[in-house]
Amino acid sequence: DAGITQSPRHKVTETGTPVTLRCHQTENHRYMYWYRQDPGHGLRLIHYSYGVKDTDKGEVSDGYSVSRSKTEDFLLTLESATSSQTSVYFCAAAKGGDMEDTQYFGPGTRLTVL
Amino acid sequence: SQQGEEDPQALSIQEGENATMNCSYKTSINNLQWYRQNSGRGLVHLILIRSNEREKHSGRLRVTLDTSKKSSSLLITASRAADTASYFCAIQGGSEKLVFGKGTKLTVNP
Repeated sequence: DAGITQSPRHKVTETGTPVTLRCHQTENHRYMYWYRQDPGHGLRLIHYSYGVKDTDKGEVSDGYSVSRSKTEDFLLTLESATSSQTSVYFCAAAKGGDMEDTQYFGPGTRLTVL
Repeated sequence: SQQGEEDPQALSIQEGENATMNCSYKTSINNLQWYRQNSGRGLVHLILIRSNEREKHSGRLRVTLDTSKKSSSLLITASRAADTASYFCAIQGGSEKLVFGKGTKLTVNP
């Protein structure tokens, strides 16, 4: 998984509770991404970061926020979890600065919102 | 939408056969990438083909790109049971973002 870890790997929570997922990388990649994967939808980009404190929205950003205070960490927060946010969440990282970048993925976090 | 669309959605073959997956897209691209995802794991990059390239090889993988038809194909030759996975194409346009398709689920039967 190219030095990318995600925590927790599994989480079950209740509707309305806040949830934070963590992505940690050891390769000093500039760009980091959060995706969600759902049956029939493939991977969809939630938010991404192009540097410390620099983030932008992706395709499905409603209900999610992110923060990046250090190069190696990218946090995804669900302020008030809903059942529609039950999904598998993947973090990815890329070197950046190259229009031929490839992305390296973490192992995923399976989130269930009851 | 810039999203790639893979075809077929699922493919089942016997070990030793070739597997071909296709990806179509709608906008101009900088490059197109293919990724593999084993069950329960993250995606792994396989191969990148630039918009000005027509064919690329990596081991048993062969990727073609036809920008006039806005389509790409991934060929896996002499497939093995270990090739069983989902395969995704990803489009990179004018930004650092990739847009992934929904994937082709490949099953290679021993």
